[in-house]
Amino acid sequence: EAGVTQSPTHLIKTRGQQATLRCSPISGHTSVYWYQQALGLGLQFLLWYDEGEERNRGNFPPRFSGRQFPNYSSELNVNALELEDSALYLCASPNHSLFANEKLFFGSGTQLSVL
Amino acid sequence: RKEVEQDPGPFNVPEGATVAFNCTYSNSASQSFFWYRQDCRKEPKLLMSVYSSGNEDGRFTAQLNRASQYISLLIRDSKLSDSATYLCVVNRNPAGANNLFFGTGTRLTVIP
Repeated sequence: EAGVTQSPTHLIKTRGQQATLRCSPISGHTSVYWYQQALGLGLQFLLWYDEGEERNRGNFPPRFSGRQFPNYSSELNVNALELEDSALYLCASPNHSLFANEKLFFGSGTQLSVL
Repeated sequence: RKEVEQDPGPFNVPEGATVAFNCTYSNSASQSFFWYRQDCRKEPKLLMSVYSSGNEDGRFTAQLNRASQYISLLIRDSKLSDSATYLCVVNRNPAGANNLFFGTGTRLTVIP
């Protein structure tokens, strides 16, 4: 069974540019969670997609957006990049559960550097 | 107050030592609890779930104290390969990303 895949591994951009990050969840999983992990900080919840729809978003500005495709893969877009957007962006594929007992399978992440 | 709090460490321990980490959570409605391990610049990986009765997996023991709202992870006979950051994760009902809360992690370095 293929795990969660993310691309690219590294991305270097300059301030004001736009970045697109991609994620494919585990086959059969319909949900994708996106997280930002800045250096020395914990994981911050960004976005949750399920069945093609945005279910919830964390406390991030609107320039962080995304979508989920019919095959459940997902894109995260960050517009008007700022220096503080430099971070490891992680995508997670939860084992879908009706109850609060979700185990997360993470992709290896995209390291975004904004210069 | 943060949903989940952990001592950031670092904990520097010699090989073979026993080390324990604690994690506190603020919401008594929290339902399930996990420890994840994260190596430097890598993705977190599930280490173990934490059950009310406590559970053990080899050298690792996890415990939950609902009354005091904390969970713990005990590592016995530390190995060099145990060096990593350990994340405490708390889950509330209903399931969903917005009800998953991560600690900032406790960094462990095992020294030869």
